[in-house]
Amino acid sequence: QKEVEQDPGPLSVPEGAIVSLNCTYSNSAFQYFMWYRQYSRKGPELLMYTYSSGNKEDGRFTAQVDKSSKYISLFIRDSQPSDSATYLCAMENSGYALNFGKGTSLLVTP
Amino acid sequence: EAGVAQSPRYKIIEKRQSVAFWCNPISGHATLYWYQQILGQGPKLLIQFQNNGVVDDSQLPKDRFSAERLKGVDSTLKIQPAKLEDSAVYLCASSPGTGFGEQFFGPGTRLTVL
Repeated sequence: QKEVEQDPGPLSVPEGAIVSLNCTYSNSAFQYFMWYRQYSRKGPELLMYTYSSGNKEDGRFTAQVDKSSKYISLFIRDSQPSDSATYLCAMENSGYALNFGKGTSLLVTP
Repeated sequence: EAGVAQSPRYKIIEKRQSVAFWCNPISGHATLYWYQQILGQGPKLLIQFQNNGVVDDSQLPKDRFSAERLKGVDSTLKIQPAKLEDSAVYLCASSPGTGFGEQFFGPGTRLTVL
């Protein structure tokens, strides 16, 4: 079993829809939970991170962490075509390097 | 502030050949990472440096891969000899400190092994 599981999609939604992206993990020692966005032929860029359980909101993006269920989510409100990208969840290991999910490919259609 | 620089951007080689990738992290960043991203997968850590010391190289295939970080700044990753399964994007990332911090990724080097 991989430490971080993420459905690769692809996920296609119309512009303006609410998008829900999810990951599960198996290592209860993870403390930092991150979402990265990766455009085609680019390196990943950090969208948001959360320490331990709880919610965090930044504009149209909300990250949720439920450590009891080992489940994290990213919600995108009012999705835009420019949000079309691959979204990677990531969790830090003891040395602060990242364990990534496979990534979910999102397409927002006008 | 300049980002993480990587070169070359693309490389095509035959199997059993050698190849080297170069990374210049953001100025002043103490920690440097090399990740391998196979098509359709998330990045996988190969090696992590803090300044010029290795923190974690547990997933580096040491029979064919090597990496160094000279003077705690630039880094090179080498593959010798390459195998077909090494075809991937090699991402370099850096972060400011030695604890948790945002990792800034370069654009990657796309390697194709024929």
